[in-house]
Amino acid sequence: QKEVEQNSGPLSVPEGAIASLNCTYSDRGSQSFFWYRQYSGKSPELIMFIYSNGDKEDGRFTAQLNKASQYVSLLIRDSQPSDSATYLCAGPSGGSYIPTFGRGTSLIVHP
Amino acid sequence: DAEITQSPRHKITETGRQVTLACHQTWNHNNMFWYRQDLGHGLRLIHYSYGVQDTNKGEVSDGYSVSRSNTEDLPLTLESAASSQTSVYFCASSSRAVAKNIQYFGAGTRLSVL
Repeated sequence: QKEVEQNSGPLSVPEGAIASLNCTYSDRGSQSFFWYRQYSGKSPELIMFIYSNGDKEDGRFTAQLNKASQYVSLLIRDSQPSDSATYLCAGPSGGSYIPTFGRGTSLIVHP
Repeated sequence: DAEITQSPRHKITETGRQVTLACHQTWNHNNMFWYRQDLGHGLRLIHYSYGVQDTNKGEVSDGYSVSRSNTEDLPLTLESAASSQTSVYFCASSSRAVAKNIQYFGAGTRLSVL
C-alpha cells in the first residue's frame, strides 16, 4: 500500500524561528510532491510543489526532496503566527493523477 | 478568475434521506475528485472522474455515487444518508495538461446527518 506519513504534531515554534515539517513516503515511483496548508475550518491550499531532488525556494518557504531516502520536507523561515495551520504533504501514486495525502502536521507559531 | 465552488456550505439532514452535494469548477479541468475529511483520518478519496462519463470509486465509496455529464460539474449523492457520513466534504479538480496532479479545492461542505 502506498503511504505518505507525517508526524501529527503539534509542532510549536516561536515567532521568527524556522519551522521544519517532514514527510516520508513508501512509493519509490512517486515523481512529484506537494505541500498544502489548511487553516482550521478552511480547505487545503497549495503552497509548494517539487518534482526533482534538492531544494526549491519560494519566499519564506523551502521544499526539500530526497528520493534516495524517500523523504520530503518543508522549511518555513521567519515563522509568523499567521503560519499556524495544518500542513498536508501529498505525493501521487506512480503515474496516477490521484495524490496520496498524509494526515497532516499541526504547526503552532507562538508570539 | 477560474474557481471551484461547492454548495451548500452547510447541510443538516436526517438518516435515510438522499442528499446531493454540488461541485462546479470553471478551470476547465479534466480531473475532479471528492474527499471527506474527518478528525484522525485526514483526506479520504470517495470518488473521482477523469472526464465526461468517466467515474471511479475511491477508498471510501460505499453509500456514495457520482455522475459526470459535463466538464464543469461532479455532484456527489448520498443515496441514504447515515450518521457515519457526518463529515466535511471537499471537491477538488486538477489538469492533465499542466502541472499534473496539483489539486485545487473548493471551500467544502459541512454535512451533519442526524
